[in-house]
Amino acid sequence: AQKITQTQPGMFVQEKEAVTLDCTYDTSDPSYGLFWYKQPSSGEMIFLIYQGSYDQQNATEGRYSLNFQKARKSANLVISASQLGDSAMYFCAMRERNTGGFKTIFGAGTRLFVKA
Amino acid sequence: DTGVSQNPRHKITKRGQNVTFRCDPISEHNRLYWYRQTLGQGPEFLTYFQNEAQLEKSRLLSDRFSAERPKGSFSTLEIQRTEQGDSAMYLCASSLNSGGVSETQYFGPGTRLLVL
Repeated sequence: AQKITQTQPGMFVQEKEAVTLDCTYDTSDPSYGLFWYKQPSSGEMIFLIYQGSYDQQNATEGRYSLNFQKARKSANLVISASQLGDSAMYFCAMRERNTGGFKTIFGAGTRLFVKA
Repeated sequence: DTGVSQNPRHKITKRGQNVTFRCDPISEHNRLYWYRQTLGQGPEFLTYFQNEAQLEKSRLLSDRFSAERPKGSFSTLEIQRTEQGDSAMYLCASSLNSGGVSETQYFGPGTRLLVL
């Protein structure tokens, strides 16, 4: 079974509009962390935002916010006021306990295109 | 710049040759991770170090792959007798061991390997 599912292979958004990138996850552990990374065409994975499973409030970092719905096991990334430089691949990841420690697992990603 | 650096950025080699990649983590980070990323996928875990100790290796890491972190600073990943299936982006990440799910990994720009 997929641990992290990103159902949107590609998304288009108009510049200055908001966009939501979907992420659902699967775990039976009550303690886990959720991350979003941006990967421009240059290849570097850039950390955007973190949400802990016990955090009461949704995480926000500038124009990025995480819509965390624990019961639905979803952790969607919302980007407000999209900019042309937001065009990139976006990866959702989950960190959970496994045998021997902790492991971070990544989804397959969503490619975002921002139109001028 | 004090981020994670990787060298070389690109490597083209012939099948059967050996290749070695280097990763320099963020200086105060004690954990270092190697991932492999193929086209259209998220990063897949290969191995990680805490200081100089290699604590976990993925089943993806065949015996042709070896990684070292001799002094707990930079790390090398060597692939012997390369195969065309080894063609991928190899990403390095570093982190401060937080001992839990909130540990955030910071990635380098990756080494893109093409095996002909």
